[in-house]
Amino acid sequence: DAGITQSPRHKVTETGTPVTLRCHQTENHRYMYWYRQDPGHGLRLIHYSYGVKDTDKGEVSDGYSVSRSKTEDFLLTLESATSSQTSVYFCAISETTYEGGRNYGYTFGSGTRLTVV
Amino acid sequence: AQTVTQSQPEMSVQEAETVTLSCTYDTSESDYYLFWYKQPPSRQMILVIRQEAYKQQNATENRFSVNFQKAAKSFSLKISDSQLGDAAMYFCACHGNEKLTFGTGTRLTIIP
Repeated sequence: DAGITQSPRHKVTETGTPVTLRCHQTENHRYMYWYRQDPGHGLRLIHYSYGVKDTDKGEVSDGYSVSRSKTEDFLLTLESATSSQTSVYFCAISETTYEGGRNYGYTFGSGTRLTVV
Repeated sequence: AQTVTQSQPEMSVQEAETVTLSCTYDTSESDYYLFWYKQPPSRQMILVIRQEAYKQQNATENRFSVNFQKAAKSFSLKISDSQLGDAAMYFCACHGNEKLTFGTGTRLTIIP
């Protein structure tokens, strides 16, 4: 989708190195999310943001940190990559109105395939 | 906490036939939304259909429709006149309390 981009598309890194994945949106949506996708698990929430500098943990947040210094950018950092973090990572944005909290759906980026060797 | 369960890891259907994918969910939220997403081999997540929990009427989008049973916490997807392009992973998901929770997915194969 043109409104959300992830970088890089693929990455191979070594165990113990830090890795940062970037998500950029042009939709000015308040909510941004990071998910990981693994076979047999579907997509699981890592962290999410509900505004600039406002973030919260998801169900699989251990070993990950996030930052959001601008509305349009949401960064996911693996402080010290491990083989268990080999996965496909998706960023998503959500259109939720401020009034009434109505949600109109999530738009996903194209994903980043991360391999930790 | 929210949970979403898809009990059919794989399904197959003959081209032009109808298939139904099952999904059950659990949430403590009174205001929530349900979705079906399609993921083809390209890996892109594509929104198929959206249901607002406070609406009793089942959502429809062309050949895709849902059977939303709120009391039973069931949200199945029916695909009519199946086409080869429908082959993909399908994920059921529940949005509540600012978060979207996914099921484990159903891989749909279309038999020509």
